[in-house]
Amino acid sequence: AQSVTQLGSHVSVSEGALVLLRCNYSSSVPPYLFWYVQYPNQGLQLLLKYTSAATLVKGINGFEAEFKKSETSFHLTKPSAHMSDAAEYFCAVSQGANDYKLSFGAGTTVTVRA
Amino acid sequence: KAGVTQTPRYLIKTRGQQVTLSCSPISGHRSVSWYQQTPGQGLQFLFEYFSETQRNKGNFPGRFSGRQFSNSRSEMNVSTLELGDSALYLCASRPGQGYGYTFGSGTRLTVV
Repeated sequence: AQSVTQLGSHVSVSEGALVLLRCNYSSSVPPYLFWYVQYPNQGLQLLLKYTSAATLVKGINGFEAEFKKSETSFHLTKPSAHMSDAAEYFCAVSQGANDYKLSFGAGTTVTVRA
Repeated sequence: KAGVTQTPRYLIKTRGQQVTLSCSPISGHRSVSWYQQTPGQGLQFLFEYFSETQRNKGNFPGRFSGRQFSNSRSEMNVSTLELGDSALYLCASRPGQGYGYTFGSGTRLTVV
């Protein structure tokens, strides 16, 4: 079985400040890990993914995430927040080769203060 | 390159009716999955299709069904609608195993 826990349902940051969204996973096999962003009344957009290659993954819009097996974590960061980063972010896990199903975390809503 | 297209975007149905939602995946993508998103339960996996075959299904009652056509387009059907079926239904496609899914904008279903 696989699952994801996102720490913090809401995060508020100042424009220009670091964005850090936390995600911990559990998986009985080597996982594939993903971060998605959802803007109001939209679907999910893939930010980045980890599929057992480099542990530091760079994505779109300046986001990156680091896979840490010892901590079972896949935290998402962005050095400098922009107003357009205000959205809901979802961490998801799938079980490696049997990866048809994504298990999502509950989501973290990011608010950016001017 | 066109993205994943879902129709309709919004739908209002009455309890007890049935509904069909449509999804056109990205050209060349053979795998299509469906998810239900609600404020209470979050994002939940409904089913996954590959080459017209349902390979996997989530924990939803039999009222939820789907199919995939030879051109990879997919439909999902919900019969005997209940108020709790009100949700955003998301379709996602990908070329195959190991790739991330691309999601559509969803169909917002409201059951009254």
